[in-house]
This record gives sequence, structure tokens and C-alpha cells, in this order.
Amino acid sequence: DSGVTQTPKHLITATGQRVTLRCSPRSGDLSVYWYQQSLDQGLQFLIQYYNGEERAKGNILERFSAQQFPDLHSELNLSSLELGDSALYFCASSSSTGEGETQYFGPGTRLLVL
Amino acid sequence: GIQVEQSPPDLILQEGANSTLRCNFSDSVNNLQWFHQNPWGQLINLFYIPSGTKQNGRLSATTVATERYSLLYISSSQTTDSGVYFCAVKLDYGGSQGNLIFGKGTKLSVKP
Repeated sequence: DSGVTQTPKHLITATGQRVTLRCSPRSGDLSVYWYQQSLDQGLQFLIQYYNGEERAKGNILERFSAQQFPDLHSELNLSSLELGDSALYFCASSSSTGEGETQYFGPGTRLLVL
Repeated sequence: GIQVEQSPPDLILQEGANSTLRCNFSDSVNNLQWFHQNPWGQLINLFYIPSGTKQNGRLSATTVATERYSLLYISSSQTTDSGVYFCAVKLDYGGSQGNLIFGKGTKLSVKP
């Protein structure tokens, strides 16, 4: 168990809908990262938050947004869902900004868009 | 951008055999991690190893940062070792960006 929790574990929804994925980092970790794993794109970085502020952006679509709350949990919002958004979404956390330190991954949320 | 290449892409072993997985990266990094993704999709941390050698039971890893490669050794493989092994790196000059860049993985199947 990495100490990073994600809910829900599975999500099935329809095209055009909106969903929210939740992540709680390890106790004391200030950085939260979101990654997407799809069959065709592999594991890709979406966005990083550090202590409530956006730190870095990767290949995140405009239909996707995220935030980190004062208690350091994070939410990833996916809207106007398309079939291609079906993927495994991972949250990871690290104690600081990520340089020279281990990132610990949660169990993932498996999203299926029908 | 940085290239992270893993080889071989697929590997089939008989239980008890040893194997070496390789990760080549094209730029200077300050973070390198090996992960095992099990058949249920969980990403399990194996090693944080930006340089040097580490061992954990039947697994060990070596990173030669100056030559930009890392090796993961699995000895006396077991069926539970099956899954996909990922190498992930963070650029040395990534600044405040802490994100990892993943290779495509090595899919390992261990047969009983």
C-alpha cells in the first residue's frame, strides 16, 4: 500500500458527461500529480499541484481541470467526455516538488466512457 | 523532448529463470524510478535509483547516469513477477516540474 488513495476505483459513464476523480496524497506530501494511462498513449503526465498551487502542466486537455484543496487532497474533473477518454487515471504524490524524490502512486481510477 | 526507451518490449520466462531489463534515456536526469504494474493495473514502486545500485530481495537495479541507462535484474523469477515493468525519469533541468516521463514498458510473462 503506497498510502495514496483514489476514489472511485471504477467509473462507467456516457459520452458528453462529466466526472470527478478524487485523490488523497500520502500524509505529509505536498505535491500531487495526475497521470493518464491509455492503450495508445501509454502513461502520460497531466498536471502537478504543489501545496494548493498549479506547478506544471503536461498533456492535459482543455476539457479537463484539476485543483488541490487546503487539506491537500486533489480532484481531477473531466467534462464533455469522449470515448477516447477511457483510460486508467493515476494520482501520485511526493513530499516536495518532485526533484530527486520518490513519487508514490495510488491504485488508479479506471474510467470507461460508453 | 527526452526519450525513454525500454527493452525488450516483451519477455517470456520459465519460472526460476533470471532476466535483465534495460532502460535508456536521452538526457540528464535527477530522478529515475522502476515500477511494476501488476495484472490488476496497480503501479508498484520498485526502486528510486537516479544513480548507483540497489537490491531488494530477488530484484536489484543499477543506474549509470553518465552513460544514461538503467538495468533491472530479476532473479529466480516467479509467476507473481508477471506484469509490465516501467522505467520513469525526471529531467535534470526540469526546474519546478516534478513530473515523471515513462517508457513504454517491458511486458514480462513468467510461466510455471
